[in-house]
Amino acid sequence: NAGVTQTPKFQVLKTGQSMTLQCAQDMNHEYMSWYRQDPGMGLRLIHYSVGAGITDQGEVPNGYNVSRSTTEDFPLRLLSAAPSQTSVYFCASSHTVSSGNTIYFGEGSWLTVV
Amino acid sequence: AQSVSQHNHHVILSEAASLELGCNYSYGGTVNLFWYVQYPGQHLQLLLKYFSGDPLVKGIKGFEAEFIKSKFSFNLRKPSVQWSDTAEYFCAVSRTGGGNKLTFGTGTQLKVEL
Repeated sequence: NAGVTQTPKFQVLKTGQSMTLQCAQDMNHEYMSWYRQDPGMGLRLIHYSVGAGITDQGEVPNGYNVSRSTTEDFPLRLLSAAPSQTSVYFCASSHTVSSGNTIYFGEGSWLTVV
Repeated sequence: AQSVSQHNHHVILSEAASLELGCNYSYGGTVNLFWYVQYPGQHLQLLLKYFSGDPLVKGIKGFEAEFIKSKFSFNLRKPSVQWSDTAEYFCAVSRTGGGNKLTFGTGTQLKVEL
């Protein structure tokens, strides 16, 4: 049981490049989400999904796209990378949208935009 | 929208000292409350959570937290810290019925000295 798997772990991008951060979970969780972590700001929700085919915006969605074609995968796309998107990105998943379910986090993806 | 405040940004303690980290949230409705820990270079791990019942919640590694509804607080405590508790601690809240979207505090960096 791998839990929540994120790839790549480290990435350096040039301004304007695009890339996709991959997230996969093998726990059959309906709910998946992406957060970014910046110093002194905690974690902020980018996008989330309550099931395959359903996505919605979080607190800081600008510059990011998501899709949820399967229950297992929830990729995060940076369309045109900017230095402000330098951050650590965490994918998370949990069962249903019933509040109180434990949310499992991936190990993080360190992204630097130069 | 809810918000979470963690007033202690950096805390330095000696081993065996007692720990209390403050967490206050702002939201008028029913909430679920969480404390996560992030060890250096690692992903977030759940320490404990509250969503109903006994307001004194016990978690892993000897941590506990008390939900005081009248004060909108969910402070984290440990009677005797160890060097291995050195980490960053995040308080988070989700609205009951609002799915598992977490709002995080900015984190408290704890350093335990030998």
